[in-house]
Amino acid sequence: AQKITQTQPGMFVQEKEAVTLDCTYDTSDQSYGLFWYKQPSSGEMIFLIYQGSYDEQNATEGRYSLNFQKARKSANLVISASQLGDSAMYFCAMRERGTGANSKLTFGKGITLSVRP
Amino acid sequence: DGGITQSPKYLFRKEGQNVTLSCEQNLNHDAMYWYRQDPGQGLRLIYYSQIVNDFQKGDIAEGYSVSREKKESFPLTVTSAQKNPTAFYLCASSKKQAAYGYTFGSGTRLTVV
Repeated sequence: AQKITQTQPGMFVQEKEAVTLDCTYDTSDQSYGLFWYKQPSSGEMIFLIYQGSYDEQNATEGRYSLNFQKARKSANLVISASQLGDSAMYFCAMRERGTGANSKLTFGKGITLSVRP
Repeated sequence: DGGITQSPKYLFRKEGQNVTLSCEQNLNHDAMYWYRQDPGQGLRLIYYSQIVNDFQKGDIAEGYSVSREKKESFPLTVTSAQKNPTAFYLCASSKKQAAYGYTFGSGTRLTVV
């Protein structure tokens, strides 16, 4: 079964508007971390934001915030005031603590975001 | 500044040849990983290593080999047995704990000619 699900097709947003990128996850662990990465056309993977499973507050990093709904197992990324440079592929990922030393990040398939001027 | 370096950025290989992709980190991270990415697709795990002199296969290890002789280095060899090696390869490193994500290199784009 997929552990990270990103099902939105390519997303479009008008410059300066906000956009939400969806991510749902599946785990039986109580302790885990959720991450979002951005991949522009150059290919590098850029870390955006982290949410721990025990964090009560939603994580925020500048224009990025994570809408964490633990009971629904969703971790949606919200980008406020979109900029042209936000056009990229976005990956949601989870790292579970239960596997201990072998704990690895599991990535979703990604969502392509295009910002229109 | 600490970071993770992949080289070369672009690599061309003739069919039947082995090639080695370099990945070096100075972040003092214990774990290192290799991923393959095909156009418009997600990341698929090839190999990973949690400690020096030890590594495990990921989801698509066939046709690839790795070594981890030093903590800082985790080279990936794409062998002639890999049927379709043209792809973008990303190396990453991390601390072991779940609260830490990965730091990625800038990638190597491999093309078979």
